[in-house]
Amino acid sequence: RKEVEQDPGPFNVPEGATVAFNCTYSNSASQSFFWYRQDCRKEPKLLMSVYSSGNEDGRFTAQLNRASQYISLLIRDSKLSDSATYLCVVGPFGNEKLTFGTGTRLTIIP
Amino acid sequence: GAVVSQHPSWVICKSGTSVKIECRSLDFQATTMFWYRQFPKQSLMLMATSNEGSKATYEQGVEKDKFLINHASLTLSTLTVTSAHPEDSSFYICSAVSTSGYEQYFGPGTRLTVT
Repeated sequence: RKEVEQDPGPFNVPEGATVAFNCTYSNSASQSFFWYRQDCRKEPKLLMSVYSSGNEDGRFTAQLNRASQYISLLIRDSKLSDSATYLCVVGPFGNEKLTFGTGTRLTIIP
Repeated sequence: GAVVSQHPSWVICKSGTSVKIECRSLDFQATTMFWYRQFPKQSLMLMATSNEGSKATYEQGVEKDKFLINHASLTLSTLTVTSAHPEDSSFYICSAVSTSGYEQYFGPGTRLTVT
């Protein structure tokens, strides 16, 4: 079983729609959780950290369910610029030795 | 702030030669830097953890004699791919953790092609 599993997609979603991704992780001792965004042939960029209480940043909402060991990302009112690969990232306490999922590819269609 | 640079951004080399990739934290000090490799349509895979002033810690399956890492200062880590082969062709990305925080800041990556 992979340490971090994501549906690779692709998700093709019309502009303005809401889209959600899930990710599961296998190490119950994991303490830090993130969503990164990676554009084609570019480095990953931190989108948001994920907290147990859930957190929201504009159109983006992230949730963590420790009991079920999954993380979700919700994007509302999707924009063309949201097209990218979204990486679920899990790590121990702090930010060391992160484990990356294979990513979910999202394409927003005009 | 929190900018990480990599040099070169892309390199083409012949099989059997060595290539050095530099990773620099431009506006902060980084005790720890990480080196990742990403093959097409795959996830980032951690190769090694580089700590300033000490030997790097390599992940299982990564040959330390082939991928030489040096972290001589708080702002610079280098990865040297020795005796490169076509299967080493990949996207190599470094990240740096600030001495005062936890977030990993990623460099723009180096695309290596070995012919």
